Amino acid sequence: DVKVTQSSRYLVKRTGEKVFLECVQDMDHENMFWYRQDPGLGLRLIYFSYDVKMKEKGDIPEGYSVSREKKERFSLILESASTNQTSMYLCASSSTLRQVTDTQYFGPGTRLTVL
Amino acid sequence: QKEVEQDPGPLSVPEGAIVSLNCTYSNSAFQYFMWYRQYSRKGPELLMYTYSSGNKEDGRFTAQVDKSSKYISLFIRDSQPSDSATYLCAMSDRGSTLGRLYFGRGTQLTVWP
Repeated sequence: DVKVTQSSRYLVKRTGEKVFLECVQDMDHENMFWYRQDPGLGLRLIYFSYDVKMKEKGDIPEGYSVSREKKERFSLILESASTNQTSMYLCASSSTLRQVTDTQYFGPGTRLTVL
Repeated sequence: QKEVEQDPGPLSVPEGAIVSLNCTYSNSAFQYFMWYRQYSRKGPELLMYTYSSGNKEDGRFTAQVDKSSKYISLFIRDSQPSDSATYLCAMSDRGSTLGRLYFGRGTQLTVWP
């Protein structure tokens, strides 16, 4: 079974802190994604990566950056956390080599609260 | 205008009811259509996957795609309390393994005994 793990289930940070959210997948997937999920707004794509050291902006990249130094790990960085970044953050991965009808596999999410 | 529109609900039905969940979209290039189910405090999991137009059935679940109307549906027959979750539609022009997915906002469903 594909497993996507996220470093924390719950995280509380203060305004202005630098925050790292880590995501690891164990299936050698090429593609990795970071979303945030807010009530009434659904899933919004922040950044994604098709390969090591590659990244592309999603729909809401402002205030975020990402790092992918190894294939299995994709990090989301909040350079200076703000209260409007309080949200559920979901990581996902998928494989280009699988059939096109394969899915994106999601982690359990990190609930981030910025005070 | 969002590329994918989905009524967030909430939707509350009695056990045994037929549930209809719907999404509309604006991008005519979309040809891969998915429904994800998300239980509380969990990540979304793929429920149904349909390519192009037509119907697909899997047990109590039926997914329909009408590309001419840019409209997709998920039907749940004989709904159960265990179906209580948020249902998200998602779609893509290149398949979920070759490109990004575009998600609806999700519909929160409660099935009461």
